[in-house]
Amino acid sequence: GESVGLHLPTLSVQEGDNSIINCAYSNSASDYFIWYKQESGKGPQFIIDIRSNMDKRQGQRVTVLLNKTVKHLSLQIAATQPGDSAVYFCAEINGGATNKLIFGTGTLLAVQP
Amino acid sequence: DAGVTQSPTHLIKTRGQQVTLRCSPKSGHDTVSWYQQALGQGPQFIFQYYEEEERQRGNFPDRFSGHQFPNYSSELNVNALLLGDSALYLCASSLWRGDGYTFGSGTRLTVV
Repeated sequence: GESVGLHLPTLSVQEGDNSIINCAYSNSASDYFIWYKQESGKGPQFIIDIRSNMDKRQGQRVTVLLNKTVKHLSLQIAATQPGDSAVYFCAEINGGATNKLIFGTGTLLAVQP
Repeated sequence: DAGVTQSPTHLIKTRGQQVTLRCSPKSGHDTVSWYQQALGQGPQFIFQYYEEEERQRGNFPDRFSGHQFPNYSSELNVNALLLGDSALYLCASSLWRGDGYTFGSGTRLTVV
């Protein structure tokens, strides 16, 4: 079946360092990908998205890379701050067949001061 | 501009009981999707409503049902609650053919 998985369940970084969170997806038909941040007691919060016709997209302090050859997605956070501590999920959509989000299990990012 | 609001925030029910969760979508959105998030897991798609009809459904039993009202708000009903139904239930609103999804803070359901 379809699935989105993450390689690292927990990532611990020092404040000011760059963070990289990885995600593998299995459905080659997926054409839209989203990274979400979820803090304790809150719902997922949109960070950045990318469509399958792109391989890189940048936002404020965040960059998403998409490698369709190996079905891999990554989220890079520059100058990681304590406020970045949260669980990060990647999600995929196969817009042609459905517009439901398929989430992975998440990576906990812990920023050490 | 209010985002997605869900009620109640927390709920404790006994096995076998029934529960109704409510969601008001973000202003301007016409589609509501419901997700179940078990502790330590990613959200799992339950179903999606548009124009007051269920449009898509995930791998959930018929005990899970829903409704969408003319004002686009939605309810999630779960019958014959099981201990395994304990989870955070998230509502996400969007436009039917749009890509932007806005999530609420969820309802934490505990079944004892």
